Amino acid sequence: ETAVFQTPNYHVTQVGNEVSFNCKQTLGHDTMYWYKQDSKKLLKIMFSYNNKQLIVNETVPRRFSPQSSDKAHLNLRIKSVEPEDSAVYLCASSYPGQGDSDYTFGSGTRLLVI
Amino acid sequence: QQKVQQSPESLIVPEGAMTSLNCTFSDSASQYFAWYRQHSGKAPKALMSIFSNGEKEEGRFTIHLNKASLHFSLHIRDSQPSDSALYLCAVSILLSGSFNKLTFGAGTRLAVCP
Repeated sequence: ETAVFQTPNYHVTQVGNEVSFNCKQTLGHDTMYWYKQDSKKLLKIMFSYNNKQLIVNETVPRRFSPQSSDKAHLNLRIKSVEPEDSAVYLCASSYPGQGDSDYTFGSGTRLLVI
Repeated sequence: QQKVQQSPESLIVPEGAMTSLNCTFSDSASQYFAWYRQHSGKAPKALMSIFSNGEKEEGRFTIHLNKASLHFSLHIRDSQPSDSALYLCAVSILLSGSFNKLTFGAGTRLAVCP
Protein backbone atom coordinates (compact mmCIF):
# COMPACT_ATOMS: atom_id res chain seq x y z
CA GLU A 1 0.00 0.00 0.00
CA THR A 2 1.31 3.43 -0.97
CA ALA A 3 0.44 6.25 1.39
CA VAL A 4 1.67 8.53 4.17
CA PHE A 5 1.99 6.79 7.52
CA GLN A 6 2.17 8.57 10.87
CA THR A 7 2.85 7.24 14.35
CA PRO A 8 1.61 7.49 17.00
CA ASN A 9 -2.08 8.27 16.40
CA TYR A 10 -2.46 9.86 19.83
CA HIS A 11 -0.07 11.06 22.47
CA VAL A 12 -0.81 12.48 25.93
CA THR A 13 2.07 14.05 27.82
CA GLN A 14 2.83 16.53 30.54
CA VAL A 15 4.12 20.05 30.17
CA GLY A 16 7.89 20.11 29.81
CA ASN A 17 8.30 16.63 28.34
CA GLU A 18 9.91 15.84 24.99
CA VAL A 19 7.91 14.09 22.27
CA SER A 20 8.74 12.77 18.84
CA PHE A 21 6.41 11.97 15.94
CA ASN A 22 7.25 9.81 12.96
CA CYS A 23 6.21 10.10 9.34
CA LYS A 24 6.99 7.86 6.39
CA GLN A 25 5.73 8.05 2.81
CA THR A 26 5.82 5.25 0.24
CA LEU A 27 4.60 7.34 -2.69
CA GLY A 28 8.04 8.20 -4.07
CA HIS A 29 7.40 11.92 -3.52
CA ASP A 30 10.31 14.34 -3.27
CA THR A 31 8.86 16.78 -0.76
CA MET A 32 7.44 16.25 2.72
CA TYR A 33 5.68 18.66 5.09
CA TRP A 34 4.53 19.08 8.66
CA TYR A 35 1.31 21.01 9.25
CA LYS A 36 -0.34 21.89 12.57
CA GLN A 37 -4.15 21.79 12.70
CA ASP A 38 -5.56 23.67 15.67
CA SER A 39 -8.86 23.24 17.46
CA LYS A 40 -10.57 25.47 14.88
CA LYS A 41 -9.28 23.16 12.11
CA LEU A 42 -6.92 25.81 10.71
CA LEU A 43 -3.98 24.19 8.90
CA LYS A 44 -0.65 25.99 9.21
CA ILE A 45 2.59 24.86 7.61
CA MET A 46 5.49 24.30 9.98
CA PHE A 47 8.27 22.71 7.95
CA SER A 48 9.01 21.27 4.56
CA TYR A 49 11.84 19.11 3.30
CA ASN A 50 12.74 18.55 -0.33
CA ASN A 51 15.10 15.60 -0.71
CA LYS A 52 16.51 15.97 2.84
CA GLN A 53 16.95 19.74 2.56
CA LEU A 54 14.88 22.19 4.58
CA ILE A 55 12.98 24.43 2.18
CA VAL A 56 10.49 26.24 4.39
CA ASN A 57 10.84 26.90 8.08
CA GLU A 58 7.88 29.01 9.14
CA THR A 59 8.15 31.00 12.36
CA VAL A 60 7.53 28.14 14.74
CA PRO A 61 8.98 28.08 18.28
CA ARG A 62 12.53 26.78 18.59
CA ARG A 63 11.38 23.80 20.65
CA PHE A 64 10.11 22.28 17.37
CA SER A 65 12.68 20.60 15.13
CA PRO A 66 12.25 18.46 12.01
CA GLN A 67 14.47 15.47 11.38
CA SER A 68 14.92 13.71 8.05
CA SER A 69 17.06 10.67 7.29
CA ASP A 70 15.99 10.37 3.64
CA LYS A 71 13.30 11.71 1.33
CA ALA A 72 10.78 9.13 2.53
CA HIS A 73 10.99 10.03 6.22
CA LEU A 74 10.33 13.28 8.06
CA ASN A 75 10.02 13.21 11.84
CA LEU A 76 9.06 16.02 14.21
CA ARG A 77 10.54 16.52 17.66
CA ILE A 78 9.16 18.87 20.30
CA LYS A 79 11.43 19.64 23.25
CA SER A 80 9.68 20.76 26.41
CA VAL A 81 6.05 20.78 25.23
CA GLU A 82 3.66 23.54 26.29
CA PRO A 83 -0.15 23.51 26.58
CA GLU A 84 -0.57 25.49 23.33
CA ASP A 85 1.16 22.63 21.47
CA SER A 86 -2.01 20.55 21.88
CA ALA A 87 -3.20 20.02 18.31
CA VAL A 88 -3.26 17.55 15.46
CA TYR A 89 0.05 17.33 13.60
CA LEU A 90 -0.37 16.32 9.98
CA CYS A 91 2.41 15.03 7.76
CA ALA A 92 2.05 15.31 3.98
CA SER A 93 4.04 14.68 0.84
CA SER A 94 3.94 15.79 -2.79
CA TYR A 95 5.89 16.11 -6.00
CA PRO A 96 7.28 19.64 -6.40
CA GLY A 97 6.25 21.88 -9.26
CA GLN A 98 3.22 21.91 -11.51
CA GLY A 99 1.37 19.03 -13.01
CA ASP A 100 0.89 16.99 -9.88
CA SER A 101 0.96 19.31 -6.89
CA ASP A 102 -1.72 17.58 -4.81
CA TYR A 103 -0.65 16.81 -1.27
CA THR A 104 -1.24 13.39 0.28
CA PHE A 105 -1.77 13.64 4.03
CA GLY A 106 -1.25 11.11 6.77
CA SER A 107 -4.01 10.49 9.28
CA GLY A 108 -2.34 12.75 11.85
CA THR A 109 -0.95 12.59 15.38
CA ARG A 110 -3.21 14.12 18.01
CA LEU A 111 -1.17 15.62 20.84
CA LEU A 112 -2.66 16.53 24.20
CA VAL A 113 -0.46 18.37 26.67
CA ILE A 114 -1.72 18.32 30.27
CA GLN B 1 2.18 36.70 2.73
CA GLN B 2 -0.61 34.78 1.02
CA LYS B 3 -4.05 35.25 2.58
CA VAL B 4 -6.71 32.65 1.80
CA GLN B 5 -10.28 33.18 2.98
CA GLN B 6 -13.31 30.94 2.66
CA SER B 7 -17.04 31.57 2.80
CA PRO B 8 -19.36 30.63 4.25
CA GLU B 9 -17.93 29.24 7.51
CA SER B 10 -20.67 26.65 7.68
CA LEU B 11 -23.54 25.51 5.52
CA ILE B 12 -26.52 23.21 5.92
CA VAL B 13 -28.25 22.02 2.74
CA PRO B 14 -30.94 19.42 2.01
CA GLU B 15 -30.06 16.25 0.14
CA GLY B 16 -30.19 16.81 -3.62
CA ALA B 17 -29.42 20.54 -3.44
CA MET B 18 -26.65 22.42 -5.26
CA THR B 19 -23.90 23.54 -2.86
CA SER B 20 -21.50 26.40 -3.61
CA LEU B 21 -18.34 27.11 -1.63
CA ASN B 22 -16.11 30.14 -2.16
CA CYS B 23 -12.43 30.93 -1.75
CA THR B 24 -10.49 34.15 -2.25
CA PHE B 25 -6.72 34.55 -2.29
CA SER B 26 -4.38 37.53 -2.18
CA ASP B 27 -1.30 36.64 -4.27
CA SER B 28 -1.91 37.10 -8.01
CA ALA B 29 1.18 34.93 -8.72
CA SER B 30 -0.61 31.86 -7.36
CA GLN B 31 -0.53 28.92 -9.74
CA TYR B 32 -2.31 25.95 -8.14
CA PHE B 33 -5.82 26.05 -6.75
CA ALA B 34 -7.40 23.11 -5.01
CA TRP B 35 -10.17 21.88 -2.78
CA TYR B 36 -9.51 19.34 -0.06
CA ARG B 37 -12.15 17.47 1.90
CA GLN B 38 -11.71 16.32 5.49
CA HIS B 39 -14.21 13.99 7.12
CA SER B 40 -14.33 14.08 10.90
CA GLY B 41 -11.23 12.47 12.44
CA LYS B 42 -9.69 11.75 9.05
CA ALA B 43 -6.88 13.19 6.93
CA PRO B 44 -7.59 15.97 4.43
CA LYS B 45 -7.84 14.50 0.94
CA ALA B 46 -7.40 16.31 -2.38
CA LEU B 47 -10.75 16.56 -4.14
CA MET B 48 -10.10 18.68 -7.24
CA SER B 49 -7.47 21.08 -8.49
CA ILE B 50 -7.09 23.55 -11.35
CA PHE B 51 -4.20 25.53 -12.80
CA SER B 52 -5.75 27.89 -15.37
CA ASN B 53 -8.83 30.10 -15.63
CA GLY B 54 -12.11 28.39 -16.37
CA GLU B 55 -14.05 25.40 -15.17
CA LYS B 56 -13.29 21.77 -14.55
CA GLU B 57 -15.95 19.15 -13.87
CA GLU B 58 -15.51 15.75 -12.29
CA GLY B 59 -18.74 13.89 -11.63
CA ARG B 60 -20.95 15.97 -9.33
CA PHE B 61 -18.12 18.41 -8.54
CA THR B 62 -17.16 21.53 -10.53
CA ILE B 63 -14.30 23.89 -9.75
CA HIS B 64 -14.34 27.39 -11.23
CA LEU B 65 -11.32 29.73 -11.24
CA ASN B 66 -11.18 33.47 -11.98
CA LYS B 67 -7.61 34.63 -11.42
CA ALA B 68 -8.39 38.28 -12.20
CA SER B 69 -10.94 38.31 -9.36
CA LEU B 70 -8.60 36.31 -7.09
CA HIS B 71 -11.48 33.87 -6.58
CA PHE B 72 -12.31 30.23 -7.09
CA SER B 73 -15.24 28.11 -6.09
CA LEU B 74 -16.47 24.54 -5.69
CA HIS B 75 -19.97 23.52 -6.74
CA ILE B 76 -21.50 20.22 -5.68
CA ARG B 77 -24.49 19.08 -7.71
CA ASP B 78 -27.06 16.74 -6.10
CA SER B 79 -25.44 16.99 -2.64
CA GLN B 80 -25.41 13.74 -0.64
CA PRO B 81 -25.17 13.12 3.13
CA SER B 82 -21.76 11.52 2.46
CA ASP B 83 -20.58 14.95 1.24
CA SER B 84 -20.88 16.23 4.82
CA ALA B 85 -17.34 17.24 5.80
CA LEU B 86 -14.94 20.14 6.26
CA TYR B 87 -13.96 21.62 2.87
CA LEU B 88 -10.58 23.35 2.71
CA CYS B 89 -9.47 25.47 -0.20
CA ALA B 90 -5.75 25.65 -0.89
CA VAL B 91 -3.54 27.89 -3.02
CA SER B 92 0.11 27.63 -3.86
CA ILE B 93 2.90 29.49 -5.59
CA LEU B 94 6.12 28.03 -6.90
CA LEU B 95 9.16 28.83 -4.80
CA SER B 96 12.79 28.32 -5.80
CA GLY B 97 11.70 27.25 -9.27
CA SER B 98 10.24 23.93 -8.29
CA PHE B 99 8.75 23.87 -4.81
CA ASN B 100 5.11 24.71 -4.20
CA LYS B 101 4.03 26.05 -0.81
CA LEU B 102 0.38 25.32 -0.07
CA THR B 103 -1.65 27.77 2.01
CA PHE B 104 -5.04 26.64 3.28
CA GLY B 105 -8.22 28.53 4.10
CA ALA B 106 -9.95 28.08 7.45
CA GLY B 107 -12.56 25.75 5.97
CA THR B 108 -16.28 25.54 5.31
CA ARG B 109 -18.16 22.96 7.34
CA LEU B 110 -20.86 21.40 5.17
CA ALA B 111 -23.77 19.34 6.49
CA VAL B 112 -26.13 17.66 4.02
CA CYS B 113 -29.38 16.60 5.63
CA PRO B 114 -31.37 13.61 4.34
